[in-house]
Amino acid sequence: QQPVQSPQAVILREGEDAVINCSSSKALYSVHWYRQKHGEAPVFLMILLKGGEQKGHEKISASFNEKKQQSSLYLTASQLSYSGTYFCGTERSSGYSTLTFGKGTMLLVSP
Amino acid sequence: DAGVIQSPRHEVTEMGQEVTLRCKPISGHDYLFWYRQTMMRGLELLIYFNNNVPIDDSGMPEDRFSAKMPNASFSTLKIQPSEPRDSAVYFCASSFAVASNEQFFGPGTRLTVL
Repeated sequence: QQPVQSPQAVILREGEDAVINCSSSKALYSVHWYRQKHGEAPVFLMILLKGGEQKGHEKISASFNEKKQQSSLYLTASQLSYSGTYFCGTERSSGYSTLTFGKGTMLLVSP
Repeated sequence: DAGVIQSPRHEVTEMGQEVTLRCKPISGHDYLFWYRQTMMRGLELLIYFNNNVPIDDSGMPEDRFSAKMPNASFSTLKIQPSEPRDSAVYFCASSFAVASNEQFFGPGTRLTVL
């Protein structure tokens, strides 16, 4: 089943913070986060694995609550370059399954 | 490496015509995925291959859709006959693993069926 993302859209001024949530009704093994700029391909941001291992880059962080089957992406001191649509992709708890992506959260950072 | 390569970038065709989308994955990646992206449904997995073998095609919407991977460096997604509701952006992605690993997406093919 498709994970649910919230909010659907958010508008920020440069330097402000934002949180994007991803929730699943199924037990999860991992959660992936991607960012897609308009007219471009999705680009990998971060993966969070069951058991607490975290990978990522840039100045964006995320958490993964396995019991609640939820993940949150934290964008602090947002930059103009953060604008885009953020997708979470979830992997079922059995592992070795394909990703199911949410519908995305559109983020616009203005000067 | 040049990344995942897709062609064409844009395709406009008329209903009933055959459409073939092409993808060259990153060398060394064992997994190749075909996705379709629409505003209504978001990013949907159509089919994926492991070592050139189709593993799961449960996301292929109808028999009008077919995909092949004749070798490790080339895959095609074919729609025959095409319909207006097939209009979408089709992405190809490749990876070292089915999940728990980064997927590298190609630039996509924007398909418009009139």
